[in-house]
Amino acid sequence: EAQVTQNPRYLITVTGKKLTVTCSQNMNHEYMSWYRQDPGLGLRQIYYSMNVEVTDKGDVPEGYKVSRKEKRNFPLILESPSPNQTSLYFCASSWRDRLPYGYTFGSGTRLTVV
Amino acid sequence: AQSVTQLGSHVSVSEGALVLLRCNYSSSVPPYLFWYVQYPNQGLQLLLKYTSAATLVKGINGFEAEFKKSETSFHLTKPSAHMSDAAEYFCAVSYNQGGKLIFGQGTELSVKP
Repeated sequence: EAQVTQNPRYLITVTGKKLTVTCSQNMNHEYMSWYRQDPGLGLRQIYYSMNVEVTDKGDVPEGYKVSRKEKRNFPLILESPSPNQTSLYFCASSWRDRLPYGYTFGSGTRLTVV
Repeated sequence: AQSVTQLGSHVSVSEGALVLLRCNYSSSVPPYLFWYVQYPNQGLQLLLKYTSAATLVKGINGFEAEFKKSETSFHLTKPSAHMSDAAEYFCAVSYNQGGKLIFGQGTELSVKP
């Protein structure tokens, strides 16, 4: 089944404790992206990647890091999480050079930083 | 900056009534347009998309949307609401083939029995 898999689904952590949210897709998509969803703000892009070893900032990149060492994986790293990073996070992927069929989204990771 | 506006953060309809969720985009260049639905505790699912073919687009679950260039709009409609349609709906635009999706703020749809 074609899908984007995120882990974990739920995470509660303390301020300053480094964490990684994993994202993997099995569709051979070149483009991958991370979004955060907050009430009244919709989804805002954090980082994106056009292909392996090619990443760039989205609209709200502060406090986040990403890497793209393999085509299928695009982990999101919070080096020193803070309470304002409490949010619902989505990973998504799509084809890069074809008509925009739209993103395929993961099921989301609900992060709480206390 | 390019943006998407969804009018109404919350819409409530009765079961069987018409559903109308509004979406307007800011650019004079017609973008690619999408509607996504998010059911509670789930990810986003593509409802339908406009990619410069027919201006009336039919999607899943009986939803459709009409692209109106003169109004820079892409409103989502369904003739008769079901209880199972209760969810949050997001309009999104993209200005290139494989690029960034810009989302609206979302509209939560409630369906009353």
